[in-house]
Amino acid sequence: QSVLTQPPSVSAAPGQKVIISCSGSTSNIGNNYVSWYQQFPGTAPKLLIYENDKRPSGIPDRFSGSKSGTSATLGITGLQTGDEADYYCETWDSSLSGKWLFGGGTKLTVL
Amino acid sequence: QVQLVESGGGLVEPGGSLRLSCAASGFTLSDYYMKWIRQAPGKGLEWISYISNGGSSRVVYSDSVKGRFTISRDYAKNSLYLQMNSLRAEDTAVYYCARDWRHGASDYWGQGTLVTVSS
Repeated sequence: QSVLTQPPSVSAAPGQKVIISCSGSTSNIGNNYVSWYQQFPGTAPKLLIYENDKRPSGIPDRFSGSKSGTSATLGITGLQTGDEADYYCETWDSSLSGKWLFGGGTKLTVL
Repeated sequence: QVQLVESGGGLVEPGGSLRLSCAASGFTLSDYYMKWIRQAPGKGLEWISYISNGGSSRVVYSDSVKGRFTISRDYAKNSLYLQMNSLRAEDTAVYYCARDWRHGASDYWGQGTLVTVSS
């Protein structure tokens, strides 16, 4: 069971908006930056959001990130069938010697 | 352009060893923190190790591999390595190397190399 909690799955219709949550604690999300990744089956993850709410070059503004307290969210607007993938949050955990944490992942289905 | 290419995966018996390589091109590997991340079949991503940039080379491991895996870097070859000893069935996964770009965000990933631990 992951320390960062994500819903196992979300779904929405094309054109709609979806929010994926990532819940943690003060030792991780509460005091560190959050990143988000998109992964299609059989391929490496792709960075979507860094430093909570910034998009790397080439990532469309349909993707957005935010953080409040010990939770972070990834929002996707104007859903497309090509957005159907797994999404992961990631952050640093400052407890003990420190470690990187991934959420358990959320499977997005575009109905 | 920036590229990371892993190699060294394969089938190994429980208790055996394997050394993974990650060849970097398009950037100087020692300028960045680098991570190893794995993904067991049908499961999520799991961070397992990182090495800091520069000469200090601070290394950190997840509890699941501490004492069994060793991360290292070869400046001349611009390559990252993961020496894996005392392998277990639960180490079966695709292993990725990734470049730490901004506060832990990994902007470039290798294609992954599959490690299967089975008798």
